[in-house]
Amino acid sequence: AQSVTQLDSHVSVSEGTPVLLRCNYSSSYSPSLFWYVQHPNKGLQLLLKYTSAATLVKGINGFEAEFKKSETSFHLTKPSAHMSDAAEYFCVVAIYNQGGKLIFGQGTELSVKP
Amino acid sequence: NAGVTQTPKFQVLKTGQSMTLQCAQDMNHEYMSWYRQDPGMGLRLIHYSVGAGITDQGEVPNGYNVSRSTTEDFPLRLLSAAPSQTSVYFCASSYSYSTSGIAGGELFFGEGSRLTVL
Repeated sequence: AQSVTQLDSHVSVSEGTPVLLRCNYSSSYSPSLFWYVQHPNKGLQLLLKYTSAATLVKGINGFEAEFKKSETSFHLTKPSAHMSDAAEYFCVVAIYNQGGKLIFGQGTELSVKP
Repeated sequence: NAGVTQTPKFQVLKTGQSMTLQCAQDMNHEYMSWYRQDPGMGLRLIHYSVGAGITDQGEVPNGYNVSRSTTEDFPLRLLSAAPSQTSVYFCASSYSYSTSGIAGGELFFGEGSRLTVL
């Protein structure tokens, strides 16, 4: 069965330092994986997606993620955090043998200190 | 460009009351869905629709009804509200849906409806 686990419920970084949000997945099929971002009191927005093309995926606002099949991971990174990056981030896997339903991780709240 | 619009943004109900959360999209999207968001649990799918007249259950459908009479609208009805239904509800849509799933995996979300059941 497909599942997704975000390893940290909360990450705090200083502005200008790197960001690493960790995500592991479990899938019986070749997975499609996504990262969504949710700013306070807003809906979710797609940040980037992996759908079996390049393993290093670039998204909006300088974020990128690398698909590592051997480690079943899809960690989200950014070289230098900005105050506007403070938000909640969700790792998501698509269950294509169940009509493409999306399974959301529990979320990681990113705080950015000045 | 309005995108996905949800109303109301906030609502307080008493146990046993019924209400409808409204969702409308102006992007001519085939796929629409309702999620609930609870702390530490991510988002869970309640119901979804792949086109007008077609609906199906998601992961947590009990206590909720939906209908899809038009492409634009997908209301969520709480039949008899319970405190366990206190949550933030999100409507989301996508431009197409096939046997391989939501097109590109991209959902467009509304800003949410915060419901409290006393």
